[in-house]
Order: sequence, then structure tokens, then C-alpha cells
Amino acid sequence: LAKTTQPISMDSYEGQEVNITCSHNNIATNDYITWYQQFPSQGPRFIIQGYKTKVTNEVASLFIPADRKSSTLSLPRVSLSDTAVYYCLVGDVIDSSASKIIFGSGTRLSIRP
Amino acid sequence: ETGVTQSPTHLIKTRGQQVTLRCSSQSGHNTVSWYQQALGQGPQFIFQYYREEENGRGNFPPRFSGLQFPNYSSELNVNALELDDSALYLCASSLGAGASEQYFGPGTRLTVT
Repeated sequence: LAKTTQPISMDSYEGQEVNITCSHNNIATNDYITWYQQFPSQGPRFIIQGYKTKVTNEVASLFIPADRKSSTLSLPRVSLSDTAVYYCLVGDVIDSSASKIIFGSGTRLSIRP
Repeated sequence: ETGVTQSPTHLIKTRGQQVTLRCSSQSGHNTVSWYQQALGQGPQFIFQYYREEENGRGNFPPRFSGLQFPNYSSELNVNALELDDSALYLCASSLGAGASEQYFGPGTRLTVT
């Protein structure tokens, strides 16, 4: 199973770009990388998902190098409301019989004014 | 479109008792996953149900069991409760099995005394 490793915490300031990296050395061929955001006392919220290279949506970008052993979530111009815990998840989305999903330990992002 | 709902919100049980937690999936979703989240930790995958069949299980003992109904709602049952079972239990629904984009409910906070 692909284990994930993330920094425990990060600090930044409003208006800055924040990059959070996740390591997943044992990622399998069919595994995708997904990032979730979680606020206290709430369930995680989907941010972005990708398989390789770069994926971008209205809130974030996801960079995945060719060897896929790591990924970087990029949050452009963060605001105070981006203060949350961010989780990296690696799991199979192609073979429906393989569904052991592993969340990372999460990165606690604190944004200051 | 109704989001994922869970009941009850909070629950207090005594060691050795049994508990049933319920989850209604988002409209159109055929897959439900259950997670246990201890305080300060990332969600731990318990199991997933895809079209009423268990589709993968994490490292949880058999006293954690589940069901998915024809309308794709789901139950998590935990027998012989232990103090370490105290946690936030999260349900997530998705259109597709594995690590497809998941929509989480608010969770059920279980306290075992």
C-alpha cells in the first residue's frame, strides 16, 4: 500500500502562494492522488485529483512529477479562510476491486493577516 | 441535490455495547465509504460499499461491519465497543468505487465511556 508523508504544519500570509508537498514512494500504477481540505468539526472537502503532470481547477493546482512519487498542492493567493488541515490521499480509481484508501496525516496550514 | 447526511450527530455509549451509525449518500452516488477519525489524526479507512457489496476493507477488526441498502444509504455497526473506538466517524459517498472524488458528511461523534 502506498503510504503518504506530509509536513505536519505550515504557516503563510494572506495573498501568498502556498505549496504543500506529499510523498508517496510506493504509489501503484492505478493510484490517483487526491487532496482534501478539512475544517474543525467538519468532514473533508474535495479539492483536486490527478494522475500525472499538472491539473488545475478554480481553487488549486496539483503538480505530479513523472515518477509520481510525490505531488504538490498549490494554493494561489491564500486568505484567512484557507486555514485548515490539508490531506493527501492515494488510491485506486480504476480497478473497483482495489479500494484500500490511505489518507496522509495531514498538514495544518495557518494563514496570518 | 441533497448532500451526504449522517445520524446521529453525537452519541455516548458504554464499553461493551453495540452501536449503529447511519449515512444517506448524495443523490446519484452508488458508493459509500466509512472512516474513523481520532482527535488530531487523519481519517482511517474502515470499508467501502459499492452497489451493496463490500468493496475493500481497512485494518479494522470484524466487530466493525456494515451494510449498504438498495437506495445506497448505509449503516456502520460496531459491536463490543472499546474505549479506543471513541472518534469521529465519517461517511463519504461517490459516483464510482475506489478513491473516486468523495463527498463527506459532517460525521458522528462517538464517545465510549
